[in-house]
Amino acid sequence: DAGVTQSPTHLIKTRGQQVTLRCSPKSGHDTVSWYQQALGQGPQFIFQYYEEEERQRGNFPDRFSGHQFPNYSSELNVNALLLGDSALYLCASSLEGLGFDIQYFGAGTRLSVL
Amino acid sequence: QQPVQSPQAVILREGEDAVINCSSSKALYSVHWYRQKHGEAPVFLMILLKGGEQKGHEKISASFNEKKQQSSLYLTASQLSYSGTYFCGTVFNSGGGADGLTFGKGTHLIIQP
Repeated sequence: DAGVTQSPTHLIKTRGQQVTLRCSPKSGHDTVSWYQQALGQGPQFIFQYYEEEERQRGNFPDRFSGHQFPNYSSELNVNALLLGDSALYLCASSLEGLGFDIQYFGAGTRLSVL
Repeated sequence: QQPVQSPQAVILREGEDAVINCSSSKALYSVHWYRQKHGEAPVFLMILLKGGEQKGHEKISASFNEKKQQSSLYLTASQLSYSGTYFCGTVFNSGGGADGLTFGKGTHLIIQP
């Protein structure tokens, strides 16, 4: 049973560039959430996708956008990168309607902005 | 609105017990506990819902005091594999289905042989 997979594992960009991160949810899951984890901090919720639409959003600027595909995989796009965007980006998947909304995390993409 | 975790760090000898606390200033719908080892994904440990339902790993126990908006994670007879950073994630008002989690800053647990 494949868990949540993310690509790439590491990425280096420069300020002002744009980046796309990818996530494949755990088999059978239909909901994808994205989190940003700065060094030494807990993950911060960016947004969540369900049925190809953004359902919830945390306190992040519009530079952060996403997409969910019909196969439930998802992308996170960040435009006009800032140094402060350097972090571990985590994707979590869950199954709608279970009652227990357990979220399963991928290992993340480490983004460094120079 | 970020939940507050305590202690920030704890060092134990193998076999000792530990309690990690999570406190919110806002009414909670559910509390989720995760453990993260360095360079790895957070791993689900336990979910506790308002009303008393909970689900998690057999060897992990936790409590949820709805009136005090507090949750505690109990680690008994600790093993070396328990080392890592423990996070509580909270949901304030569920609109149904999965919700974005608001995580605390984490509790670092080190188990020594």
